[in-house]
Amino acid sequence: EPEVTQTPSHQVTQMGQEVILRCVPISNHLYFYWYRQILGQKVEFLVSFYNNEISEKSEIFDDQFSVERPDGSNFTLKIRSTKLEDSAMYFCASIPGTRGNTGELFFGEGSRLTVL
Amino acid sequence: RKEVEQDPGPFNVPEGATVAFNCTYSNSASQSFFWYRQDCRKEPKLLMSVYSSGNEDGRFTAQLNRASQYISLLIRDSKLSDSATYLCVVGRSNTGKLIFGQGTTLQVKP
Repeated sequence: EPEVTQTPSHQVTQMGQEVILRCVPISNHLYFYWYRQILGQKVEFLVSFYNNEISEKSEIFDDQFSVERPDGSNFTLKIRSTKLEDSAMYFCASIPGTRGNTGELFFGEGSRLTVL
Repeated sequence: RKEVEQDPGPFNVPEGATVAFNCTYSNSASQSFFWYRQDCRKEPKLLMSVYSSGNEDGRFTAQLNRASQYISLLIRDSKLSDSATYLCVVGRSNTGKLIFGQGTTLQVKP
């Protein structure tokens, strides 16, 4: 069964460092998302991406964050200068195009980011 | 007011019990509704979509009341493997962002 894959599974970084989290969405999917979940809190939407551009972003997704689909398969989330409060599990997700789309999000297993 | 509100629990029930979770949402423009399940430190996984007519999948029954902006999940004959956090999730379209509730934790005991 096709799945969304994410790397790294866990990254520890120092405050102020840049971090890139990588995702390979399911190959025929067209819509891509990043969500995050701070430990003990709810899953929060960060950004959605379609047709090589951001379609929607949340208040959390400020200038420190950026997304990119550099090569048609990878979908990356970059945090330019990490803060302690960026420590969280970051989930990548994807869905097919509108045809046959049930609205179900297909999540990767997540990348745990720890900022020291 | 939170966009999606759930009782966080925990709900501690014996095996075989019936348990019900409730959820309310604030945005009347919401169009898609789901229950997801999340095991500890894992990714959320779709349990079932929720339709206005109500729907059932084995031991799980979901109901949607658009007038009251209320969603429910009923689990019959609880199994130990049902222990997890159940997330109420709402969206405005099938491609837009999904809003997650805080989740309701269920612990099924032998």
